[in-house]
Amino acid sequence: QKEVEQDPGPLSVPEGAIVSLNCTYSNSAFQYFMWYRQYSRKGPELLMYTYSSGNKEDGRFTAQVDKSSKYISLFIRDSQPSDSATYLCAMSGGGNNRLAFGKGNQVVVIP
Amino acid sequence: DAGITQSPRHKVTETGTPVTLRCHQTENHRYMYWYRQDPGHGLRLIHYSYGVKDTDKGEVSDGYSVSRSKTEDFLLTLESATSSQTSVYFCAIRSGQEKNIQYFGAGTRLSVL
Repeated sequence: QKEVEQDPGPLSVPEGAIVSLNCTYSNSAFQYFMWYRQYSRKGPELLMYTYSSGNKEDGRFTAQVDKSSKYISLFIRDSQPSDSATYLCAMSGGGNNRLAFGKGNQVVVIP
Repeated sequence: DAGITQSPRHKVTETGTPVTLRCHQTENHRYMYWYRQDPGHGLRLIHYSYGVKDTDKGEVSDGYSVSRSKTEDFLLTLESATSSQTSVYFCAIRSGQEKNIQYFGAGTRLSVL
């Protein structure tokens, strides 16, 4: 079993729809949970991070962490064509110097 | 871009030749990382450094070596490039001791023919 599982998609939605992305993980030591956005031929950029369980909101983006289920989610409200990108989840914890990444989920928002 | 510069941005080379990629940071971060990104595999850690002359292997370190003689520079070397090393290479720095939030450079696109 991989440490982090993320359905690679792709996911196509019409403009204005809610985008829902998620990752599951197996290491209960993870405490920091991140979402990165990567545009085509660019480096990953940090979108949001959360510590432990709970929700975090930033504009149209909401990140949720459920440590009991080992499940994290990213929601994008009122999606825009500019949200078309690959979204990667990542997590760390337990004193490990490394990040564990999902494989990324490609999102296409159709105007 | 968190003060990270990767060079070169693009390189085409031939099998068997040595290749060195450079990552330069301007913010005195202790930890630096090299990843490769391939379709179907996502980001995979090659090597990382936790200080000058202090490095450790990642999950795909075979065929790669690294060096860090100064805080600001982390070099990735392919001693004898192979076609399987055709990939996009990203450097990252770590922000914060506990959080391990990483910020990435723009990447180097390497083609080995």
